[in-house]
Amino acid sequence: SQTIHQWPATLVQPVGSPLSLECTVEGTSNPNLYWYRQAAGRGLQLLFYSVGIGQISSEVPQNLSASRPQDRQFILSSKKLLLSDSGFYLCAWGGQTGNTIYFGEGSWLTVV
Amino acid sequence: GESVGLHLPTLSVQEGDNSIINCAYSNSASDYFIWYKQESGKGPQFIIDIRSNMDKRQGQRVTVLLNKTVKHLSLQIAATQPGDSAVYFCAENREYSGGGADGLTFGKGTHLIIQP
Repeated sequence: SQTIHQWPATLVQPVGSPLSLECTVEGTSNPNLYWYRQAAGRGLQLLFYSVGIGQISSEVPQNLSASRPQDRQFILSSKKLLLSDSGFYLCAWGGQTGNTIYFGEGSWLTVV
Repeated sequence: GESVGLHLPTLSVQEGDNSIINCAYSNSASDYFIWYKQESGKGPQFIIDIRSNMDKRQGQRVTVLLNKTVKHLSLQIAATQPGDSAVYFCAENREYSGGGADGLTFGKGTHLIIQP
């Protein structure tokens, strides 16, 4: 069966510091991969998605970036965090021909 | 604009009663709908899905109903249990020329509270 892991689960970072959140998927090949952000009391905002290695589509312009160095690895990064970057970040995967996406457990980011 | 939304932000039900969570969508081109359950501090979990060529689909204690005429989707949970406490939200998939799930749009969610 397919599993998705993301880490770290929780982190507190000062303003201006870098960020790296990592996500890996097991049990499937060539998945679509996604990064979402969920602010408190709000819905899911799609940040980035990838349909293959090195292929990244950005949905929202911001100081975050994403990379997909391997087929089942997706990384969310920032060079300098802002207070507004605080939130719950979710990695997700979906099949190339499927309509459903499946989420990881999420990473809580607090920028102080 | 096109949107997926929920009628009620909070729903409180007695343990053992049935719960009905509603969702409205505005894009008639949407052909696939999903319900997710999100427990506090966790990622959303897939519950059940339905395609637009269906009106009803049943799972374990859950039923999803789709009314394409009024663009309405509902999730029914039978015999609600304390473990059902969570935020539930629907999602729709809209057709993009490239295919894939990048067109998934999520509602903001309904918080289901179970009263003992």
